[in-house]
Amino acid sequence: GAVVSQHPSRVICKSGTSVKIECRSLDFQATTMFWYRQFPKQSLMLMATSNEGSKATYEQGVEKDKFLINHASLTLSTLTVTSAHPEDSSFYICSARGGTARRNGYTFGSGTRLTVV
Amino acid sequence: TQLLEQSPQFLSIQEGENLTVYCNSSSVFSSLQWYRQEPGEGPVLLVTVVTGGEVKKLKRLTFQFGDARKDSSLHITAAQTGDTGLYLCAGVNTNAGKSTFGDGTTLTVKP
Repeated sequence: GAVVSQHPSRVICKSGTSVKIECRSLDFQATTMFWYRQFPKQSLMLMATSNEGSKATYEQGVEKDKFLINHASLTLSTLTVTSAHPEDSSFYICSARGGTARRNGYTFGSGTRLTVV
Repeated sequence: TQLLEQSPQFLSIQEGENLTVYCNSSSVFSSLQWYRQEPGEGPVLLVTVVTGGEVKKLKRLTFQFGDARKDSSLHITAAQTGDTGLYLCAGVNTNAGKSTFGDGTTLTVKP
């Protein structure tokens, strides 16, 4: 089956620093990946769509300079939270669409718990 | 913007009881998916329904896609404590290339 690996699972950083989160499709090529943000006991909020070899498409209200997305290969997309602040603390999840998952669903990573102190 | 309304938002029941979660929209979707998410983990796909009126069963879980492909329901029979989690429906728009998620239903099954 399709597997998406997300790292790190947890990260604590100081205000003002940047944090990079990786999302890898392990056994399929993902032409499109998605980045979500989730608050406790709430649903997933789509932040951006990451397309291999081109610029990401950001949802309304998401700062592209704040949340940098790079999808340089068919198996890796990265989300960098720049100049992080405490309000950026959240659960970030990626998902991938491609291979056998393309029609039947999206495979999600296990998420990254970001805490900015 | 396609919106999915999921109800109820929170549900707390005793083990052995039955429950139904609803997912409604005014938009038509190419397909609809149900996910279950445990705390600190990513959502895990339970089922995809594609055809209007389709019914799929997964052990004690029954999923139905509305005839007009605008709504769906998830019915759990004889709930178990292991069913506890956040249930998410997601409408897929193939043309747009992305999913729209419902607000989620937090289910707690008490022993």
